[in-house]
Amino acid sequence: QKEVEQNSGPLSVPEGAIASLNCTYSDRGSQSFFWYRQYSGKSPELIMFIYSNGDKEDGRFTAQLNKASQYVSLLIRDSQPSDSATYLCAVNGAAGNKLTFGGGTRVLVKP
Amino acid sequence: SQTIHQWPATLVQPVGSPLSLECTVEGTSNPNLYWYRQAAGRGLQLLFYSVGIGQISSEVPQNLSASRPQDRQFILSSKKLLLSDSGFYLCAWSPGQGSEAFFGQGTRLTVV
Repeated sequence: QKEVEQNSGPLSVPEGAIASLNCTYSDRGSQSFFWYRQYSGKSPELIMFIYSNGDKEDGRFTAQLNKASQYVSLLIRDSQPSDSATYLCAVNGAAGNKLTFGGGTRVLVKP
Repeated sequence: SQTIHQWPATLVQPVGSPLSLECTVEGTSNPNLYWYRQAAGRGLQLLFYSVGIGQISSEVPQNLSASRPQDRQFILSSKKLLLSDSGFYLCAWSPGQGSEAFFGQGTRLTVV
């Protein structure tokens, strides 16, 4: 079982729609969770972090965390063509120093 | 503000040659440091991480090694490169336990 799992996609969404991305993790003791965006050929950049169960909103992005189900999600509202990228879920393990990434979900926003 | 420097941006090396990639962080002290590798179209594979000088945790058995000779310097090395070592190598730092990581520009390595 992979430590952090994501659907590889591509997830195709029309412009203006909501993109929903999911991530599951295996380490039940994990404490912090992150979403990164990576454009082709570039390094990942941080979008959101979440530490507590529930929802966290930042602009058009909402992160959701359910520790009991070991599940993290990212919603992108009003999707724009510039949101087309690969989105990486990252989880910091119980010890807090090992940051593990999922395989990423490729998102394509079509005008 | 904190910055991370990683070089070179691209590198083409023959099979069997040595490798040394360097990463330095400015504007912070005692950061956690990470080396990741990304194969084409794949996710980030954690290779090594370090919580302090001389403290290296290895995640994947392979012909790569890492060292942290100074607080804000992280080096990835190999004595003899394999074709399978090709990929996008990313160095990252984080302020500490449980924190987010920030990435350098990456090094695209092609072993020929």
